[in-house]
Amino acid sequence: DIQMTQSPSTLSASVGDRVTISCRASQSVSRWVAWYQQKPGKAPKLLIYRASTLESGVPSRFSGSGSGTEFTLTISSLQPDDFATYHCQQYSSDYTFGQGTKLEIK
Amino acid sequence: QLQLQESGSRLVKPSQTLSLTCAVSGDSISSGAYSWHWIRQPPGKGLEWIGYIYHTGSTYNNPSLESRLTISVDRSKNQFSLKLNSVTASDTAVYYCARGGTAPTQFDYWGQGTPVTVSS
Repeated sequence: DIQMTQSPSTLSASVGDRVTISCRASQSVSRWVAWYQQKPGKAPKLLIYRASTLESGVPSRFSGSGSGTEFTLTISSLQPDDFATYHCQQYSSDYTFGQGTKLEIK
Repeated sequence: QLQLQESGSRLVKPSQTLSLTCAVSGDSISSGAYSWHWIRQPPGKGLEWIGYIYHTGSTYNNPSLESRLTISVDRSKNQFSLKLNSVTASDTAVYYCARGGTAPTQFDYWGQGTPVTVSS
């Protein structure tokens, strides 16, 4: 199985901050990585796929980068609606998710 | 707008079978080369992919669950279903259905999720 390890597990930030969340794969997944946002009691929402392609309707302050084993999700200027948990997912070999990064208000 | 809605038993006794259905509305489950997935999230933990089915009936399951898992599709009712047998407390989770493209794929539409507890 390919393991996905996210860091940090929790991130405290303020509105307007630029934040970066990292995801490391246990072996190369090329660019087969997606990122999701999840709010309490809700289903995950697709933000980015194929490492850097923004899903339709997702604000441009979200961006993704990386290939191989190292990936990042960046939010350029945090908005109040962005405080949530973020998950990375690989789909190179079956499907596995990271453990999640909780983005909290500082 | 595509919508997915899970339904089924929310409390299952250990060793019994967990059964869930995902009703798809807003489009035909048979249109396009989409895959239809089940994903779960145990309390306080990350997401775990369970398996998927195409409208043709072709399936692919998580190897760790393969021996206990059946995913089926009912095109006439525009829905797909999950059966997981011999459940234990570790199967307690929120279960989501979701749509993907031709595998391998990301998941672009999700149901709201349904909590299932395994307990006597």
